[in-house]
Amino acid sequence: EIVMTQSPLSLPVIPGEPASISCRSSQSLLHSSGYNYLDWYLQKPGQSPQLLISLNSNRASGVPDRFSGTGSGTDFTLKISRVEAEDVGVYYCMQGLQTPYTFGQGTKLEIK
Amino acid sequence: QVTLRESGPALVKPTQTLTLTCTFSGFSLTTSGVCVSWLRQPPGKALEWLARIDWDDDKYYRTSLKTRLTISKDTSKNQVVLTMTNMDPVDTATYYCARIVGAKGFDYWGQGTLVTVSS
Repeated sequence: EIVMTQSPLSLPVIPGEPASISCRSSQSLLHSSGYNYLDWYLQKPGQSPQLLISLNSNRASGVPDRFSGTGSGTDFTLKISRVEAEDVGVYYCMQGLQTPYTFGQGTKLEIK
Repeated sequence: QVTLRESGPALVKPTQTLTLTCTFSGFSLTTSGVCVSWLRQPPGKALEWLARIDWDDDKYYRTSLKTRLTISKDTSKNQVVLTMTNMDPVDTATYYCARIVGAKGFDYWGQGTLVTVSS
């Protein structure tokens, strides 16, 4: 089973400032297709998770372009260029390379 | 539009079997590449993937729960059913179903259903 490790686990951010979340996998998520099978989700308070980014860097429909995903192999980063109040919640990375799919522990973003 | 909705008991007793139903609309589970998974989230904890069923009826399970889980589909009813045997209080969680197409992430989720295991 692939282990996913996120940091930090808590992220206080001033509105308008950038933020980044790191995600590491215990083995490479690079598929033979050339894609890294790494997704990012945001779970807003009291809501179901929502897909932000799939295959490392592809924003889901309706996701603002202030969200971006980078990385390759075992090291990945979610970046928010300018945090807004609506971005609060818990962010999860997930590997989709093989079952069992596995998630990171989650990073709680809060507004300072 | 695509929607998924979980249904099932809110409370089950230890050792009982849990049966959850995911009823979906806006897509077909007979279309190549379309899959539906069950996931759960214990209170205050991270997401856990449980099982997946594919358009071609292939099935995959969380390793640690493989002996307790069964996933099935009824394409005529647009439903996916998850059964989990021998429920324990540690299985208390919100259970979600979600769609995944290929490797493009879980793009649609149900609202979740909270299942409490208690005598």
